[in-house]
Amino acid sequence: KNQVEQSPQSLIILEGKNCTLQCNYTVSPFSNLRWYKQDTGRGPVSLTIMTFSENTKSNGRYTATLDADTKQSSLHITASQLSDSASYICVVSAMNNAGNMLTFGGGTRLMVKP
Amino acid sequence: DGGITQSPKYLFRKEGQNVTLSCEQNLNHDAMYWYRQDPGQGLRLIYYSQIVNDFQKGDIAEGYSVSREKKESFPLTVTSAQKNPTAFYLCASKGLGRGNTGELFFGEGSRLTVL
Repeated sequence: KNQVEQSPQSLIILEGKNCTLQCNYTVSPFSNLRWYKQDTGRGPVSLTIMTFSENTKSNGRYTATLDADTKQSSLHITASQLSDSASYICVVSAMNNAGNMLTFGGGTRLMVKP
Repeated sequence: DGGITQSPKYLFRKEGQNVTLSCEQNLNHDAMYWYRQDPGQGLRLIYYSQIVNDFQKGDIAEGYSVSREKKESFPLTVTSAQKNPTAFYLCASKGLGRGNTGELFFGEGSRLTVL
């Protein structure tokens, strides 16, 4: 069964500090992995996409990594800001005969405090 | 501006009533999806449609119904048969075929509360 596990479930950090969120998956056959940011009461917005051949990709203060061998991804946030407070969702895509199937992680809820 | 519009944002329903959540997109996307989000859980797929007048059940379709009469619209009806309908509902769309990145674009969500 395809699964995506995220850790930690929740995290509190002080403004200006860095943090790293983890995503482990058992999805096959792997197609790509996306990180989404979801503000409270809003819809998720894509931050970055990682394909099989990519190890690292940055989007401003967000840096995602992918280790396809160990089936792990991380999202590193540098110099956190209050606006980074949100849930971060890891979504892994598998390609099979039925098309592109998505498996969602449960998310990490990040709170940045002043 | 292009995007996905969900309405209403908040909805209250008495037990035994059906309610319909609206989802409209002007992104010219072929595929549209409905997800349910509960606290601490990943998004779960209710229904999806890849072409007009056709749709498929997702993982938790029981108690829900949809229609796809127009490319732009994919309304979701939460029926009285849904045992635990209180949740946050998200509509999404995606372009299919070459040139599309496979990114899901989400609406702002509809929060349904059953009283």
